[in-house]
Amino acid sequence: SQTIHQWPATLVQPVGSPLSLECTVEGTSNPNLYWYRQAAGRGLQLLFYSVGIGQISSEVPQNLSASRPQDRQFILSSKKLLLSDSGFYLCAWSVLSREREYFGAGTRLSVL
Amino acid sequence: QQQVKQSPQSLIVQKGGISIINCAYENTAFDYFPWYQQFPGKGPALLIAIRPDVSEKKEGRFTISFNKSAKQFSLHIMDSQPGDSATYFCAAIYENNDMRFGAGTRLTVKP
Repeated sequence: SQTIHQWPATLVQPVGSPLSLECTVEGTSNPNLYWYRQAAGRGLQLLFYSVGIGQISSEVPQNLSASRPQDRQFILSSKKLLLSDSGFYLCAWSVLSREREYFGAGTRLSVL
Repeated sequence: QQQVKQSPQSLIVQKGGISIINCAYENTAFDYFPWYQQFPGKGPALLIAIRPDVSEKKEGRFTISFNKSAKQFSLHIMDSQPGDSATYFCAAIYENNDMRFGAGTRLTVKP
């Protein structure tokens, strides 16, 4: 069966520090991968998506970047965190169609 | 640009009551409409979905009603239970696989 792992579950970082969140998917090949951010009480904002290794599309220009070094690994990074980067970050995957999209458990990031 | 408008933002229902969450869309190119359920501290999970050629879909206590002419769809939770307390997101998917989410509805079912 397919599973998605996301870590860490919570993270507290000072302003100006770097960020690296990792997501891996098991049990499937060539998944489409997604990074979302969910601000408190808000909806889901798609940040990046990837249809293959090294292929990254950005939905919103910002302080973050994404990379896909392996087929089932998706990384969200920042060189210098801002206060506004705080939020709940979700990784998700789908195969071909987005009609069924599977989300990870999320990372709660607090930038202080 | 919000292409899927969801209401209400929050909803409180008594146990055993009916919870109704509404969504409206603008673009007729959407061709698939899923609902996701998210418990606190967890990722969303697909709950139920519908295509625009169907006016209603029911799975257990959850029903989607779809009005293509009005470009509206809604989620009905019958016999709501405290365990249904969660945030619900509607979404709409384009033919090209682009997906837009509503802003979410926080449902609280009181015992």
